[in-house]
Amino acid sequence: GAGVSQSPRYKVTKRGQDVTLRCDPISSHATLYWYQQALGQGPEFLTYFNYEAQPDKSGLPSDRFSAERPEGSISTLTIQRTEQRDSAMYRCASSLGVDRSTDTQYFGPGTRLTVL
Amino acid sequence: GQQVMQIPQYQHVQEGEDFTTYCNSSTTLSNIQWYKQRPGGHPVFLIQLVKSGEVKKQKRLTFQFGEAKKNSSLHITATQTTDVGTYFCAGPHYNTNAGKSTFGDGTTLTVKP
Repeated sequence: GAGVSQSPRYKVTKRGQDVTLRCDPISSHATLYWYQQALGQGPEFLTYFNYEAQPDKSGLPSDRFSAERPEGSISTLTIQRTEQRDSAMYRCASSLGVDRSTDTQYFGPGTRLTVL
Repeated sequence: GQQVMQIPQYQHVQEGEDFTTYCNSSTTLSNIQWYKQRPGGHPVFLIQLVKSGEVKKQKRLTFQFGEAKKNSSLHITATQTTDVGTYFCAGPHYNTNAGKSTFGDGTTLTVKP
């Protein structure tokens, strides 16, 4: 596609419910990143994929958070048993993946998650 | 842990004045990237610096990467109202996974016309 897309754009859920967020990266991009961005702060790394492989998930805050990219394109981020502290903007980014240390990351519009 | 700090947190300028934001990392970075996020928008890549002491210019914007690759700056000459937004620096720390960038918390610039 023309850019990175994310859905839903807004999600309101009750504490204890599970939520799944979706990211559709730029079609030619091998690498996909998930970030959590609190209001007034910079994006904080959660995890990334190189095609379907997930080399680094060190940023996931707890085992309630998981991400998948089964076919190396679309990715989902699932938060189980949501808590109020999970409320944030969740951003996805993708890059070509030629050299992850120098690739340009293109960000999607984000999903604003509110946990009541 | 490994941190990236940005100062100032906020900057208010009159249109036409210059603006500078500074980025400092607790450890050496492999590279530094700068992003701009407009109010209500998402981070948009501006530039990447890789070499120690590197300086790059984009029209009114000048970016520098320190000799020790631990600090960087973004300078805007003669600000315009279109420069409004939050400027983030980010980069992978030298001894960590290249795919894992640490972002600063940004400098939010407002410009009075």
